[in-house]
Amino acid sequence: NAGVTQTPKFRVLKTGQSMTLLCAQDMNHEYMYWYRQDPGMGLRLIHYSVGEGTTAKGEVPDGYNVSRLKKQNFLLGLESAAPSQTSVYFCASSSGPADYGYTFGSGTRLTVV
Amino acid sequence: GDSVTQMEGPVTLSEEAFLTINCTYTATGYPSLFWYVQYPGEGLQLLLKATKADDKGSNKGFEATYRKETTSFHLEKGSVQVSDSAVYFCALSNDYKLSFGAGTTVTVRA
Repeated sequence: NAGVTQTPKFRVLKTGQSMTLLCAQDMNHEYMYWYRQDPGMGLRLIHYSVGEGTTAKGEVPDGYNVSRLKKQNFLLGLESAAPSQTSVYFCASSSGPADYGYTFGSGTRLTVV
Repeated sequence: GDSVTQMEGPVTLSEEAFLTINCTYTATGYPSLFWYVQYPGEGLQLLLKATKADDKGSNKGFEATYRKETTSFHLEKGSVQVSDSAVYFCALSNDYKLSFGAGTTVTVRA
């Protein structure tokens, strides 16, 4: 019963490098989300998807891109990493609108030096 | 826009003490309200929720009541344990998305 799986769990990048974070869910959920968690700021929504092939911007989308080519996967890309993107990234999924509640992954800790 | 405000932490308690974490919200419409818990090194887990005014959510000894008149959803537990040490997040639903408060760190000492 995997739920939501995020890879990698940890990563250190140099400024200007690119990378992709992968989120995979095995619950056949329609909705998927990427959040970042920073001390004292809670979780802020980066991008989200309401179904395969769809994406939308959240509160803090700048510097990130996403793709949802398959229903079970939601990818978060950083094209040119900056130190301000040092954070813990969480993926979540839901079977319906937000009222249903989310299932979260265990997070990716990213450090940009 | 919609937002959630939580009491600032950290909160440190002794085992068997009473815990309250205040949460107030600003929203248009009638959002659902949630409490999530994050244990060290893990993702967030749904603790409880309430979908309409005067509903009470409860789980694992925690309770919260959706108060529309005071726009609040305070979390309470009558007797905490060391295992309740975690970060607690209040959240509200806004269309397809959840908006979270800043989180309150709770430490329970034996």
